[in-house]
Amino acid sequence: GAGVSQSPRYKVAKRGQDVALRCDPISGHVSLFWYQQALGQGPEFLTYFQNEAQLDKSGLPSDRFFAERPEGSVSTLKIQRTQQEDSAVYLCASSPLAGGNYNEQFFGPGTRLTVL
Amino acid sequence: DAKTTQPPSMDCAEGRAANLPCNHSTISGNEYVYWYRQIHSQGPQYIIHGLKNNETNEMASLIITEDRKSSTLILPHATLRDTAVYYCIVRVAGNTGKLIFGQGTTLQVKP
Repeated sequence: GAGVSQSPRYKVAKRGQDVALRCDPISGHVSLFWYQQALGQGPEFLTYFQNEAQLDKSGLPSDRFFAERPEGSVSTLKIQRTQQEDSAVYLCASSPLAGGNYNEQFFGPGTRLTVL
Repeated sequence: DAKTTQPPSMDCAEGRAANLPCNHSTISGNEYVYWYRQIHSQGPQYIIHGLKNNETNEMASLIITEDRKSSTLILPHATLRDTAVYYCIVRVAGNTGKLIFGQGTTLQVKP
């Protein structure tokens, strides 16, 4: 069956460019998470959606980062005016239940962003 | 969420059991222990979770000490494909569900 997909898989941006990263969660999954993983580190939480509602954005590192999930399915993470420190793998995960309940998170393969 | 401590790396011979320890001495009564692993260039993959009792599934076993201050993930017959970074995570039931990853343990399975 289809898992979580992300596109593009690789993105190279010049410093100052805007980028948009897409996540297609597993169909019907209520919860969607974005994580950022720097080289050699564990993933770090960015933001959480329950359906179309963004319930937690405490991990977004700056106001240059913006995420949306307008119809409760596909989500887009947008980074404005990219900086070199934004270089990382951006992981999307979905789960079938609302976040407060036990649930296994299914991760996509990630988008590797390199800012030159 | 409670902090976890794991050894940075471990080796295991192919076919032998891999025992990965995790210390979570500040765990609270309503916090679950989760294990995920991340194979190179892939997203993390759920392995198993537990609260108090030992748990077993098709991938692994989770042994939680009686005081719940530590746990061990057991891969009974490690294969080369089990080479990965293994993350032990403690999570409160009822929060948003976000996972707080540490540095994990890099397990190298050797032939």
